Amino acid sequence: DQQVKQNSPSLSVQEGRISILNCDYTNSMFDYFLWYKKYPAEGPTFLISISSIKDKNEDGRFTVFLNKSAKHLSLHIVPSQPGDSAVYFCAASADGAGNMLTFGGGTRLMVKP
Amino acid sequence: EPEVTQTPSHQVTQMGQEVILRCVPISNHLYFYWYRQILGQKVEFLVSFYNNEISEKSEIFDDQFSVERPDGSNFTLKIRSTKLEDSAMYFCASNPAFYGYTFGSGTRLTVV
Repeated sequence: DQQVKQNSPSLSVQEGRISILNCDYTNSMFDYFLWYKKYPAEGPTFLISISSIKDKNEDGRFTVFLNKSAKHLSLHIVPSQPGDSAVYFCAASADGAGNMLTFGGGTRLMVKP
Repeated sequence: EPEVTQTPSHQVTQMGQEVILRCVPISNHLYFYWYRQILGQKVEFLVSFYNNEISEKSEIFDDQFSVERPDGSNFTLKIRSTKLEDSAMYFCASNPAFYGYTFGSGTRLTVV
């Protein structure tokens, strides 16, 4: 089941630069998308979300872009900080209420000082 | 900041034994979930629970699995007869309405 796919298992970025994490999906019924950050030995932490009626949502250093025609979303972190080093998961929901999330495989982000 | 609390953090059990994973969701939240992550694999949805009943469940959540909210605070996941392939990190989550769950830190279940 590859309905949500994160093709880059890892990404390395210099502190202060932009981090761009990508996510592709195949299910056109997905109507809500979320990004989670996960540190080792912790549960996923909600970062930012976007509804399918929007193409951009911004929260501080984090911006999520949604391209519905391409079935693609991305998370931009600007500027990147060493504390951002974690695994980032995108997730999608098709049930209109977020009762069931389908996760991507995650991208490990390493921000180097 | 309110947290979702899971206990134990690590559970080792013999194959075929019953195991109960415990979660205390955030007190004013109404929706409760269990997800799991097998080592090296994706986070997978197991079940959602609202108003004292299951609202959604995945194919993984077969007859060996059950959930309960025995009192006003705890939310449990029971695996009746554990198999080796049940070894995973199990995450409980809750939210007050839709989306933006708060996850617990997880219980690592090892079946030997």
